[in-house]
Amino acid sequence: ETGVTQTPRHLVMGMTNKKSLKCEQHLGHNAMYWYKQSAKKPLELMFVYSLEERVENNSVPSRFSPECPNSSHLFLHLHTLQPEDSALYLCASSQAVEQPQHFGDGTRLSIL
Amino acid sequence: EDQVTQSPEALRLQEGESSSLNCSYTVSGLRGLFWYRQDPGKGPEFLFTLYSAGEEKEKERLKATLTKKESFLHITAPKPEDSATYLCAVGDTGTASKLTFGTGTRLQVTL
Repeated sequence: ETGVTQTPRHLVMGMTNKKSLKCEQHLGHNAMYWYKQSAKKPLELMFVYSLEERVENNSVPSRFSPECPNSSHLFLHLHTLQPEDSALYLCASSQAVEQPQHFGDGTRLSIL
Repeated sequence: EDQVTQSPEALRLQEGESSSLNCSYTVSGLRGLFWYRQDPGKGPEFLFTLYSAGEEKEKERLKATLTKKESFLHITAPKPEDSATYLCAVGDTGTASKLTFGTGTRLQVTL
């Protein structure tokens, strides 16, 4: 059981495609996050949205574009991705940015 | 720059064989240390937050402790269902929204 739902669970796309990942949280939290998880590497924070701020990791390529229309929904728009972008993309939420983060089960993305 | 190192990378235990996982960290100011459990094909599941040296938290067979340089996750009499990857992360007082994660310890508990 999870209060953070991610869709789709699996996505295969070509390098020229455009797709979006969706995240919805049912916990009443005020902050949402996108992470990238690659094999043998630590979770890498990509973007943060909260009532107070939007924070970006400056190392994230512009082919990843976040959108947060409200406190319950978060999207990650993908375009012109590269093979090295294949990874598990995790969404998380927290009551406030200092509070523990609760994760969804992720979208497994494969770039052909 | 904040750093988190977890050891061992992998650990295999027999059911009932207690052990500890280590998380060594470097931060300019500790906002909190977080332990997560991750099962294959799932997202990380929050276990504990520790805020200051000397603090301890317990949940079933798990006990987390914290010093100024490291945290331990003690597993007492583990069962096969405790098999998972355990992740440690630290928050820095200078960056409210960011957590720095370690690469995890993959625990396997056999009968």
